[in-house]
Amino acid sequence: GENVEQHPSTLSVQEGDSAVIKCTYSDSASNYFPWYKQELGKRPQLIIDIRSNVGEKKDQRIAVTLNKTAKHFSLHITETQPEDSAVYFCAARRSGGSYIPTFGRGTSLIVHP
Amino acid sequence: NAGVTQTPKFQVLKTGQSMTLQCAQDMNHEYMSWYRQDPGMGLRLIHYSVGAGITDQGEVPNGYNVSRSTTEDFPLRLLSAAPSQTSVYFCASSRTSGPDQPQHFGDGTRLSIL
Repeated sequence: GENVEQHPSTLSVQEGDSAVIKCTYSDSASNYFPWYKQELGKRPQLIIDIRSNVGEKKDQRIAVTLNKTAKHFSLHITETQPEDSAVYFCAARRSGGSYIPTFGRGTSLIVHP
Repeated sequence: NAGVTQTPKFQVLKTGQSMTLQCAQDMNHEYMSWYRQDPGMGLRLIHYSVGAGITDQGEVPNGYNVSRSTTEDFPLRLLSAAPSQTSVYFCASSRTSGPDQPQHFGDGTRLSIL
């Protein structure tokens, strides 16, 4: 089955710095890669996603890049703000079959004012 | 749309008690699943369903039962609660058609087993 590795487990940055979270996956048939943000005590919520036929996608201060050959994808947050502090999860999923997404273990991002 | 609704939000049980965590969605999603979230362990899949009448085990199914009699509802049953089942439980749903279908999560149930 699919295996998703996520690094780092904790990331501490100063307000205004950039943050990068990286994930690797094992199943070359995975074709959908969402990222979720979970604020303390809240539910995980989708913030951005990318399909395997796209190399990069941006939404204001966040972007996701995908390297299918190397089987890794990354979340980039620019100009970080204290409200970006949360746990971020990456996931990989293939169409067909059981549709089960595989999640990384999460990255705790702390943005210091 | 209410999205994914979980009840209760909090629950304290004694070891050996049984209970059912409720999950309902109003988005006509085929796929529903239950996760438990423990510190440092991410989201671990307990059970999932791809449609009414169809369920299957995930990564950590022991001690839990599920059923899917309708598209909307996917209850999770703890048969005999153990302290190791203290966790935050999330229900999630999504469509199965097409590859780009994100999970929609409920607000979670915080469960403590004494």
